[in-house]
Amino acid sequence: DAGVTQSPTHLIKTRGQQVTLRCSPKSGHDTVSWYQQALGQGPQFIFQYYEEEERQRGNFPDRFSGHQFPNYSSELNVNALLLGDSALYLCASSLSLYADTQYFGPGTRLTVL
Amino acid sequence: AQTVTQSQPEMSVQEAETVTLSCTYDTSESDYYLFWYKQPPSRQMILVIRQEAYKQQNATENRFSVNFQKAAKSFSLKISDSQLGDAAMYFCAYRSPQENQFYFGTGTSLTVIP
Repeated sequence: DAGVTQSPTHLIKTRGQQVTLRCSPKSGHDTVSWYQQALGQGPQFIFQYYEEEERQRGNFPDRFSGHQFPNYSSELNVNALLLGDSALYLCASSLSLYADTQYFGPGTRLTVL
Repeated sequence: AQTVTQSQPEMSVQEAETVTLSCTYDTSESDYYLFWYKQPPSRQMILVIRQEAYKQQNATENRFSVNFQKAAKSFSLKISDSQLGDAAMYFCAYRSPQENQFYFGTGTSLTVIP
């Protein structure tokens, strides 16, 4: 049973560029959440997708957008990258929208130069 | 918004000994969930243990147990018989059913000394 997978593992971009990160949820899960984890910090909630719609959003600017596909996989897009966007981006999936437990993927390390 | 505080940035424990990691949270909700996640250098966040606020009994998972004090809004993690593989960052997390969001603390880095 595959867990949550994310790609790519690492990514290096320059300021102003755009980036797309990908996530496949754990088998049987239909809800995906994205988190940003800056160095030395805990994960910060970006948004959550269910039934291909954004259901909840944290305190992140519109430069952060996402998408969920019919197979429940998800993408996180960040436009106009800033140096401060450098972080580990974690994807988490759950059994349903209101499930109380999330399972995390290994993350994508984004470096913005 | 809810807040989660981990006041111990770093902790260390001798192998085979017991260590307790602290977590406090602030909320006005009466029903919620609390979690401890482990993040080793491989970066993958691994669920260690979960506690439902309406349950008075403290959760246990093998060598891991919690001390949940709802009135004090405290949720500490006890690791017994510490092993080298327990070395990692440990994050305390709160799930708000009303907001359907997770809130994380800043983490405690645990070192296990052989």
